[in-house]
Amino acid sequence: DAGVIQSPRHEVTEMGQEVTLRCKPISGHDYLFWYRQTMMRGLELLIYFNNNVPIDDSGMPEDRFSAKMPNASFSTLKIQPSEPRDSAVYFCASSPRTSGELFFGEGSRLTVL
Amino acid sequence: KQEVTQIPAALSVPEGENLVLNCSFTDSAIYNLQWFRQDPGKGLTSLLLIQSSQREQTSGRLNASLDKSSGRSTLYIAASQPGDSATYLCAGRQTGRRALTFGSGTRLQVQP
Repeated sequence: DAGVIQSPRHEVTEMGQEVTLRCKPISGHDYLFWYRQTMMRGLELLIYFNNNVPIDDSGMPEDRFSAKMPNASFSTLKIQPSEPRDSAVYFCASSPRTSGELFFGEGSRLTVL
Repeated sequence: KQEVTQIPAALSVPEGENLVLNCSFTDSAIYNLQWFRQDPGKGLTSLLLIQSSQREQTSGRLNASLDKSSGRSTLYIAASQPGDSATYLCAGRQTGRRALTFGSGTRLQVQP
């Protein structure tokens, strides 16, 4: 079974540009999470979905960030406009309802110049 | 709010040594605790998941314990190998919540 799949793996963009990160969770998992990892702050939860419905978006930094999950097999995290302080590794993770074990993708490394 | 702390931040040991990584959490109402491994530039790989009703879990050379009353978990690695070199993170899930709260990790270096 393929794990959580994220794209792109690396993104370099200029300040003010729109960035879209994509995630395909593990089939059958009910929960999808977006985390951000930086050296200074470690891993921070941005938002999570249950059965495609956003449950907790209190970690989304500001209105420039938005996330959607149009169906059970796809989610996007969008930053518009991007800023240099958004540079980080963005991880998508999914978990089944039963055990709650969390499985991570390889991450999308974002650099905003 | 749950806070998770990992000490030490970095650890270097010679190959073959047994070692213990520590994780502490502030809220004893913990639903489960998960240990991960992260290699440089990679995602997090799940190592062990301990439910609140369990006291420990084992997988190969790894053994993780959970003591809710003291707010602590340990990851024991037996007969360490250079391939064990990575950052190890623990994360706790509070009862009533779905998301995990992560510690900042312990960076392990096993010297050949």
